[in-house]
Amino acid sequence: EVQLVESGGGLVKPGGSLRLSCAASFSSYTMNWVRQAPGKGLECISSISSSSTYIYYADSVRGRFTVSRDNAKSSLYLQMNSLRAEDTAVYYCAKGDTYFDYWGQGTLVTVSS
Amino acid sequence: EIVLTQSPDFQSVTPKEKVTITCRASQSIGSGLHWYQQKPDQSPKLLIKYASQSISGVPSRFSGSGSGTDFTLTINSLEAEDAAAYYCHQSSSSPATFGGGTKVEIK
Repeated sequence: EVQLVESGGGLVKPGGSLRLSCAASFSSYTMNWVRQAPGKGLECISSISSSSTYIYYADSVRGRFTVSRDNAKSSLYLQMNSLRAEDTAVYYCAKGDTYFDYWGQGTLVTVSS
Repeated sequence: EIVLTQSPDFQSVTPKEKVTITCRASQSIGSGLHWYQQKPDQSPKLLIKYASQSISGVPSRFSGSGSGTDFTLTINSLEAEDAAAYYCHQSSSSPATFGGGTKVEIK
């Protein structure tokens, strides 16, 4: 059974950093980070191909967030620096290079002083 | 960036009624359009891929249609468990984008 489990969320002050992790039960697929601000819709903020040769960042996070993966550990990461209040959201990892067929349960990141 | 516009934003529906949600793309995306259901406090779930292709395990009352710029998600004979937000998502053009969502409430 495919499983995705995120971790690493929490409360952080503006300007601070967090590192999210996503543990997967597989390793060879394009993976994505999708976030959802409270009461809002979905936003795909980063994608990384299976070999890390293709990486995408949304304009809203480019230069502040870094996506990476360790296929040996079947893990996906999102290093988030210079966090802002508007980064407050539930962060999901999702599998897929076109449609997203599996999603994790999400981890909440709250940026507040 | 391709903008997806969903309508309506909100719909209150009686059980067994038919529900139609539309998603319009700002430019042609062929059939690269997918639909998700998100129930309260849950992660999104894939309902339909490539505009009209069904997903294993998804009830047959959910169907999708359309191509180019206009797409439709139809829920035939709505059930109480279908109360959720529904999102369209395009993967034809980078960056992938989502529609703003449609919330379906059961009367």
